[in-house]
Order: sequence, then structure tokens, then C-alpha cells
Amino acid sequence: GAGVSQSPSNKVTEKGKDVELRCDPISGHTALYWYRQSLGQGLEFLIYFQGNSAPDKSGLPSDRFSAERTGGSVSTLTIQRTQQEDSAVYLCASSFGGETQYFGPGTRLLVL
Amino acid sequence: QKEVEQNSGPLSVPEGAIASLNCTYSDRGSQSFFWYRQYSGKSPELIMFIYSNGDKEDGRFTAQLNKASQYVSLLIRDSQPSDSATYLCAVNVGAAGNKLTFGGGTRVLVKP
Repeated sequence: GAGVSQSPSNKVTEKGKDVELRCDPISGHTALYWYRQSLGQGLEFLIYFQGNSAPDKSGLPSDRFSAERTGGSVSTLTIQRTQQEDSAVYLCASSFGGETQYFGPGTRLLVL
Repeated sequence: QKEVEQNSGPLSVPEGAIASLNCTYSDRGSQSFFWYRQYSGKSPELIMFIYSNGDKEDGRFTAQLNKASQYVSLLIRDSQPSDSATYLCAVNVGAAGNKLTFGGGTRVLVKP
């Protein structure tokens, strides 16, 4: 079946602009995760959704970052007033109840 | 001290040899452990997971877990050039939502 999909695959934006990143999880997967991978920082957790609620937002780096999930499916990660340090690959993963997480292809964000 | 540590490498092995990768973790409450493979410019791909002490084999891959010593390892037998990638160790410390904490990854280079 189809895997996790993310869009756009690449995004170049100017400092100060807002961006929206989209994740479409594997059909039927109830849990959805956002991670960020940047050079020198490794892969870090941002936020977790169970259904449409986000019990764990502990990894969001600042209040410029927010995320929502609707219909227990698609999720959007929004970064407001982007900064150069936001440049990274944003990865989405989903899982069905259990622990095994499957990653999407990622969105490569470059803030100029 | 980082929560999950890996030698960054590169680990260079000749084709056909065994590649041995190690990962240590700090939280004794960690419950499950994952190995992901990541090719350059691609997203992490799940190779194996292990929950119990001992060995778990899947094809050319063997995961080994020792909770008393807080380490998990991955062996790649009959290494192939296509195994050249970065291998990420991920740990679920049992937090709600099963978020994963990743090590920095070990880069493996298999030389023909």
C-alpha cells in the first residue's frame, strides 16, 4: 500500500515568511509524528498526534511552530516568521497503535 | 551526556565482511529499540526492532540487546556495497506516544 507522503518535497522561502508543510500518513495509522533533521543536530522529535489531539508538543522549538491534524489523517506543520536556523529536513512518521514508525520522504526547507 | 550515543564513523568494511554497529542509551526505563538505515538524501527506513534481551535475526541483519549494560548493536553479515548508508539507533523510553530518541547515526562504507 501507499506509504507516508509529504509535500512539498522542497521549499525555499525568505526569512520572515510563513510556511506550511503537509503530511499524509499511511491509511489507518492513528499516530503521527513530526521530526526535524538538521546538520549537526541529528533527528529530533517535534510533536506527536494521537487521532486529532497532540498529547506531546514538547519538541516544538518555539511558539513560531504549530501543527494540527484533521480527520485523524492529514497533518500540517506551520512555521511562522521563518528564521535561517529553521532550515532542515522535516520528517513525518506514522504508526498504527504500536511503536513501529514509518517515515515519509521529508520536506527539505531552506530559509534564505 | 546524550541520551542515545553512536560512533559517527565512518565504519569502513570490505565487501563480504561483518559490520558491527553499537549504540548505548542512558535511560534504564527504555523499552524498545529500533535500527533505521538512511541513504544520503533519503528518509530513514526501518530495518529492525527489538524489545527483549538477546539476539534477533532477520536475513543478513542481527540486532542484539543487553538492557543491563544499556547497549544495543546491529550486525550486518556479508556486507554489500548497497549497505553503505548511515545507520540510526532509536530508543523508545516509554513516554506517552512512543516518541523515539535517535542517536547521531553511524556512517557505514562497504568497499568492493
